[in-house]
Amino acid sequence: QSVLTQPPSASGTPGQRITISCSGSSSNIGTNTVSWYQQLPGTAPKLLIYSNVQRPSGVPDRFSGSKSGTSASLAISGLQSEDEADYYCASWDDSLNGRGVFGGGTKLTVL
Amino acid sequence: EAQLVDFGGGLVKPGGSLRLSCVASGFTFTSYAMSWVRQAPGKGLEWVSSIKNRGDDTYYADSVKGRFTISRDISSNTLYLQMNSLRAEDTAMYYCAKDFLGSVDHLGFDPWGQGTLVTVSS
Repeated sequence: QSVLTQPPSASGTPGQRITISCSGSSSNIGTNTVSWYQQLPGTAPKLLIYSNVQRPSGVPDRFSGSKSGTSASLAISGLQSEDEADYYCASWDDSLNGRGVFGGGTKLTVL
Repeated sequence: EAQLVDFGGGLVKPGGSLRLSCVASGFTFTSYAMSWVRQAPGKGLEWVSSIKNRGDDTYYADSVKGRFTISRDISSNTLYLQMNSLRAEDTAMYYCAKDFLGSVDHLGFDPWGQGTLVTVSS
């Protein structure tokens, strides 16, 4: 059972906008920043969003992040077939002397 | 360009030990926190351990505390993960990662190593 809760799956059609949620608590998302990762099959994860809303250079502006209270969301607009991947949220948790925590992951299918 | 190359994985028997290494290049190693993240076959990402930029503070997941030790050698720009008392449930791809901003409590990892596979089986 992951500390951060994500829906196991999401889907959309090309061109559509979808959102993936990530729910935490006061000791993680409520206090610290959230990052989002995209993982294609057989590859290392790729950083999509850091510090809740920032995109590293090279990440298309179709990807956006937001945070409110103890929850965060990743939005993907103009959905493309190459967006089909697993997506993970992550945050630092201040409990137990400090630890990193990930969501369980959301598998995005582009129909 | 920042780059990480991790290696050292392999097949080990339950109760055995293994040391993973991660060689960093293209950035000032002592300015960034570093971490290890693992992924069991067919499962999600699991944070394993992190170390501050100067190595003065370390953090561990409960699942590995007391068995794994993270360390860094600034003379060789290398991150290590010493894994002892290995269990079947430690079987996973292990990735080293650099924090994008530098702080240990940011969890924004970029880049990642290519991963090294650890298999614990008799």
